[in-house]
Amino acid sequence: GAVVSQHPSWVICKSGTSVKIECRSLDFQATTMFWYRQFPKQSLMLMATSNEGSKATYEQGVEKDKFLINHASLTLSTLTVTSAHPEDSSFYICSALPGSPSSYNEQFFGPGTRLTVL
Amino acid sequence: AQSVTQLGSHVSVSEGALVLLRCNYSSSVPPYLFWYVQYPNQGLQLLLKYTTGATLVKGINGFEAEFKKSETSFHLTKPSAHMSDAAEYFCAVTPKAAGNKLTFGGGTRVLVKP
Repeated sequence: GAVVSQHPSWVICKSGTSVKIECRSLDFQATTMFWYRQFPKQSLMLMATSNEGSKATYEQGVEKDKFLINHASLTLSTLTVTSAHPEDSSFYICSALPGSPSSYNEQFFGPGTRLTVL
Repeated sequence: AQSVTQLGSHVSVSEGALVLLRCNYSSSVPPYLFWYVQYPNQGLQLLLKYTTGATLVKGINGFEAEFKKSETSFHLTKPSAHMSDAAEYFCAVTPKAAGNKLTFGGGTRVLVKP
């Protein structure tokens, strides 16, 4: 089956530092990956769509300069939380889409990364 | 903009009892519909999906859901709850031409009592 990994699974950092989270599709190529954040006991909110070889598309209200997304290859997308603050503490989940976004394809989700900013 | 409503943020059922989780969507055109399950500190696992064809879809772990266009609903059921069904369940939709962007409902946490 299609497997998506995330690294790290959890991270604790100091306020003001930057944190990079990796999302990898292990056994398929993904031209499109999605990044979600999930606050405790809440639903997932789409942050941005990551497109291989082009700029990410951010959802309304998401600061693109704070949440830097790089989709450098067909199997790797990274999310960098810059100058992290305690309010950025959350569970970040990525998903990867095999195939073209122009047709229906099932997304496969990573296990998530728990970020805690002190 | 479309939205997804899950009625009841928490559901408590006895082991062996029926599980019923409600999901309604608002969209002028029926979207693709999904149910996901999330265990603590984990990502999402697809339970089942409706894209086209038969409106009653069967998924993993004994779950099934029925798409009712007239009611704009996609309720999830399981005839007999098991302790391992305790988790968070999310209904999600994506328009048929929206690049697969998912909109999630608020989630329903299921507690299974022995």
